[in-house]
Amino acid sequence: DAKTTQPTSMDCAEGRAANLPCNHSTISGNEYVYWYRQIHSQGPQYIIHGLKNNETNEMASLIITEDRKSSTLILPHATLRDTAVYYCIAFGNEKLTFGTGTRLTIIP
Amino acid sequence: KAGVTQTPRYLIKTRGQQVTLSCSPISGHRSVSWYQQTPGQGLQFLFEYFSETQRNKGNFPGRFSGRQFSNSRSEMNVSTLELGDSALYLCASSLFVYQETQYFGPGTRLLVL
Repeated sequence: DAKTTQPTSMDCAEGRAANLPCNHSTISGNEYVYWYRQIHSQGPQYIIHGLKNNETNEMASLIITEDRKSSTLILPHATLRDTAVYYCIAFGNEKLTFGTGTRLTIIP
Repeated sequence: KAGVTQTPRYLIKTRGQQVTLSCSPISGHRSVSWYQQTPGQGLQFLFEYFSETQRNKGNFPGRFSGRQFSNSRSEMNVSTLELGDSALYLCASSLFVYQETQYFGPGTRLLVL
């Protein structure tokens, strides 16, 4: 699986959009970009995934650059319950490889 | 639909003992994966079972083993426990094997003294 790079931590004001970047410059053509999050002391939760096109679901939007070397997860209206560690994963080798993720803190 | 359940939720053992953890996947899911999470190493893949067979394995010693039953429930066993085995053990289920969309349970927190 391609290596991903994410900022260690980020803050976002409650009610604002949280934009979490991920760099995956070595991603190969058949690797999907997956996002999971882990709220303190719980198991990781699937958020969204994409290959080339931008994707949106009830939780978030995923913007992937045209060259696929980076992506951004967008939580449109962050709430305190969105405080968590967010993992960006380039999946292509049969198992999920979690990095260190971004610790997102939503500020009231 | 009920989520992934893991038992027990908390466990305290001493060095040298063995432990068995249990995982019940979401109904209809046939694949179960196990992960270890520690502050130092993060989330690491242990193994994946599908149709009662281990399909994928991470880089863990042979003290870590697992099995899956015909109803897709899975157990994980760690023998000769070491202090470094203290961790949160997470189970995840998916419909089929090698799937990237996995649904995680709450985990079993193991403390080895």
